[in-house]
Amino acid sequence: NAGVTQTPKFRVLKTGQSMTLLCAQDMNHEYMYWYRQDPGMGLRLIHYSVGEGTTAKGEVPDGYNVSRLKKQNFLLGLESAAPSQTSVYFCASSKGRRIDDGYTFGSGTRLTVV
Amino acid sequence: DAKTTQPPSMDCAEGRAANLPCNHSTISGNEYVYWYRQIHSQGPQYIIHGLKNNETNEMASLIITEDRKSSTLILPHATLRDTAVYYCIVLSGNTPLVFGKGTRLSVIA
Repeated sequence: NAGVTQTPKFRVLKTGQSMTLLCAQDMNHEYMYWYRQDPGMGLRLIHYSVGEGTTAKGEVPDGYNVSRLKKQNFLLGLESAAPSQTSVYFCASSKGRRIDDGYTFGSGTRLTVV
Repeated sequence: DAKTTQPPSMDCAEGRAANLPCNHSTISGNEYVYWYRQIHSQGPQYIIHGLKNNETNEMASLIITEDRKSSTLILPHATLRDTAVYYCIVLSGNTPLVFGKGTRLSVIA
């Protein structure tokens, strides 16, 4: 039982390149989330999904797109990377709307845009 | 719009209780208080949550004041492995977690 797995763990991109970050969970969770964390800051919500085929914007959605084609996967895309998107990206999942459903986080993807 | 206020940093001697305060003076009746922690830039880890009663689990205790405007997370016997950033989050059932800057707890040998 792996929990939440993020791929890749590290990546360096050139400005203007595109890439997709993959988040996979094996807990049959309904809800999934993408956060970013800049140095010395708390996590900020980018996008989230409340079920297969659904997505919603979070606090800082600009410059990112997401897709949830399968329940177990949540993809975060950067169409044209910018240095301001250098950050650590965390994916999380939760069972559902119940207040007792704690979040399970992945170990993060460290992205550098040069 | 920050819903919680936490001190930026605290120190605690190893083996002593660590008491981490959080102010949430604008909390509404259906909002819970959650605590998470983040060790060495790993993904955050759930600790505990509560509505109005005090709560205890194997990791910590949560004390919520009667007016619910503040709370304290207690780690009863802090160890070096408890050094982390601790986040106090106010949350209702329909909204995703929103993190502030948290409190950086340093446990000192």
